[in-house]
Amino acid sequence: DTAVSQTPKYLVTQMGNDKSIKCEQNLGHDTMYWYKQDSKKFLKIMFSYNNKELIINETVPNRFSPKSPDKAHLNLHINSLELGDSAVYFCASSQTGTGFFRNTEAFFGQGTRLTVV
Amino acid sequence: GIQVEQSPPDLILQEGANSTLRCNFSDSVNNLQWFHQNPWGQLINLFYIPSGTKQNGRLSATTVATERYSSLYISSSQTTDSGVYFCAVEAVGNYGQNFVFGPGTRLSVLP
Repeated sequence: DTAVSQTPKYLVTQMGNDKSIKCEQNLGHDTMYWYKQDSKKFLKIMFSYNNKELIINETVPNRFSPKSPDKAHLNLHINSLELGDSAVYFCASSQTGTGFFRNTEAFFGQGTRLTVV
Repeated sequence: GIQVEQSPPDLILQEGANSTLRCNFSDSVNNLQWFHQNPWGQLINLFYIPSGTKQNGRLSATTVATERYSSLYISSSQTTDSGVYFCAVEAVGNYGQNFVFGPGTRLSVLP
């Protein structure tokens, strides 16, 4: 039973196309994220959503638009794809911590390797 | 924002050797995690360790929050330990906002 699942795992598309990556978590978490991993393996946050509300948008081009229909889903839509968008995109989720026994451990999906040609 | 450094950047070991990976961070943290990214690209949770020491089999981790560092210790390394090890932190006050990753330590374990 996968905790955080992304689809598709691989995506090859031409420049200029529009594509979406879906993410779902079954952990009951209230926060979801999208991260981008570049060719040097560096992981950088793109977006963070808490209870369907956008919390962080880290200098990501407007062509990237996250959509959170409910707490369990955070999809990433990309318009007018460019060569530089080629990367691995990771979705993650965690629970915002409150109280003494808080546990804010984050769990990641398996990643979506996007290749723009 | 918070800065995260990891050392060494690359490490090559013979199977059976032990190693210590280090993560230094620039500010107080709510959350610190260690991940292993295997050669297939999956990010595997190793430890959730904002403070203290934990052990899981051949792996153990220690975070000294007051000194702003964490260490991951791998004993009797195996070829399956190869991959990139990341530490990620969540700065105090940033609940549910942003895990900042270090640049990773690339580990190669040779048979």
